Parts: sequence; C-alpha cells; structure tokens
Amino acid sequence: GQSLEQPSEVTAVEGAIVQINCTYQTSGFYGLSWYQQHDGGAPTFLSYNGLDGLEETGRFSSFLSRSDSYGYLLLQELQMKDSASYFCAVRDNSGAGSYQLTFGKGTKLSVIP
Amino acid sequence: DVKVTQSSRYLVKRTGEKVFLECVQDMDHENMFWYRQDPGLGLRLIYFSYDVKMKEKGDIPEGYSVSREKKERFSLILESASTNQTSMYLCASSTTDTLNTEAFFGQGTRLTVV
Repeated sequence: GQSLEQPSEVTAVEGAIVQINCTYQTSGFYGLSWYQQHDGGAPTFLSYNGLDGLEETGRFSSFLSRSDSYGYLLLQELQMKDSASYFCAVRDNSGAGSYQLTFGKGTKLSVIP
Repeated sequence: DVKVTQSSRYLVKRTGEKVFLECVQDMDHENMFWYRQDPGLGLRLIYFSYDVKMKEKGDIPEGYSVSREKKERFSLILESASTNQTSMYLCASSTTDTLNTEAFFGQGTRLTVV
C-alpha cells in the first residue's frame, strides 16, 4: 500500500517562510502533489513534482527527492489567508491502466500576526 | 471552469438505509475518485474509476460500492448505512494526461447516519 507522513500542525508568523515536509512509501510512484484546503472548502491543487528538484509558483515552491522518498512545500511571505490545511498526495500506478491518488493526513498551518 | 458537482451538500440518513451519493464532472475526465475525510485522518480513498464500468478499490472500500455507467457520473453507494460512516465525502476527477496532474474536487457531502 501507500503511506505518507507530514506534520499535523505548524504555526508561523505573517511575512515569514514555512516549510511543510512529506515523506512517502509507495510502489509505482509517478509524482507528488500538494493541495490546500480552507475550513469548509474543497481541496484545491497547488503544485506537482514528477521529477527531482524544485518547482516554483509565485510564493509557493515544491521540492521532490525521489531517492529519499521526500518532498516539501515552501510558502514564502506568509499571509493570513494562507492559514489552511495542506495535503501532500502521491500519484502511483494502480496497475489498471491508470493511477491512484493517495493523500497524507494533512498539515494545519496557522499564520499569526 | 472545471466543475465537479456533488448532488447534496448535507444528508441525514437512518442506520440500515441504502444511500446513494452522486458526483458529476463536466470535463470529460477519465479518472474519478471517492474519498472520505475525517478529522485527523486526512482524505482516505474509498474507490476510484479510470473508465466507464471500471472500478478499483482504494484503501477503505468495506461497506461501500460504486457505479460508473457514464463517463461523467460516479456514484458511491452505502449498501446499509452505519453510524461509523458519518463523514464528509469528497468526489474528485482528473485526466490521465501525464502532463496535467491536477485533480478537481466537488464541494463535498456531509453525511450523518443516525
């Protein structure tokens, strides 16, 4: 099966930088995604890493090391609206011609003034 | 805009009832997923489908079944609802395109079984 580990909670100050780590165990790995979910809302896609290295999208960056089965999401210039839960998700080969998308338990980020 | 629509936002059902949760997507996506979300447990995959009439078990399929008779519609069925199936249920869809990896979620159905 698949398993993902990420911290349950992180608190950071407005304007600061925060890194949310994710380690995973899976077979047939295709890539690692990150999703954001505000309270009461649906998860929304932030980024995807299929290859090793850093992907940058505005204030958010995501990193993957496939040899270490590890990735992280980096949020810069934190804003109050970044307070949300962040999920890493692995995309892996289901063996049925498609892929399974498995999520971690989520990291609740609280941004404080 | 991509749209994934779940038929109900809130549902209250009695123990033992057969419950149908419906999900429709309008982007011609091949893949569709059903998750349940519980506090502290994240999103757990119940079933997914990669084509019409095709389905694969996820991590927690017990007590659930699914149906995909048309590409745009994926139904989750609770054969005999139990109180431990009280949860938020989320449907998602995505393409199989390896360059387009985003999954789109519906707004969720909060099911309470009493």
